[in-house]
Amino acid sequence: SQQGEEDPQALSIQEGENATMNCSYKTSINNLQWYRQNSGRGLVHLILIRSNEREKHSGRLRVTLDTSKKSSSLLITASRAADTASYFCATDARDRGSTLGRLYFGRGTQLTVWP
Amino acid sequence: DVKVTQSSRYLVKRTGEKVFLECVQDMDHENMFWYRQDPGLGLRLIYFSYDVKMKEKGDIPEGYSVSREKKERFSLILESASTNQTSMYLCASSLLGGRGGYTFGSGTRLTVV
Repeated sequence: SQQGEEDPQALSIQEGENATMNCSYKTSINNLQWYRQNSGRGLVHLILIRSNEREKHSGRLRVTLDTSKKSSSLLITASRAADTASYFCATDARDRGSTLGRLYFGRGTQLTVWP
Repeated sequence: DVKVTQSSRYLVKRTGEKVFLECVQDMDHENMFWYRQDPGLGLRLIYFSYDVKMKEKGDIPEGYSVSREKKERFSLILESASTNQTSMYLCASSLLGGRGGYTFGSGTRLTVV
């Protein structure tokens, strides 16, 4: 499968703590993206990191990418109850030679932040 | 505010019915996608389209077809609905090449009885 795989499947923390989610994938990529999904809703794009980048920040989000290990991590600092959601990584796989921009999604990490 | 709009949030249909799920985007995106999402299985791609009247099969196209007559509209068709097609259906769009990521609709929860 070309899917990314998130780890852990579920994460439960207190407000103010940091949340770290990991993603591993199997093929060469053009970029890796993280999405958030609130219960019963569509996914929202959070951040994109290109294969030649190692780290990227957006507000309280920090994403790292290690292409040698085919892995990425998403760090949410100073988490809030409103961060409770499922988080998905998605890879734009390169080895199929497509430039169409199809993404392969993992199964997600369910993050619960307790007040 | 740019948007992907799915015509229904909830649908209940009977087995054997022909079902149309509509998706409209206002961002002039070339790519449009239909996914289904089931617990434990994540998002699975049904079909996608990179241009008007163009379509590509995803990972699970069986039992589905699509139509893209206009750039902004991508329809998913269940030719003869079955109970195993009960799911959350998500439409998304992106620029060609996926630049900037996907924009998703809010989803349609379809129940086939």
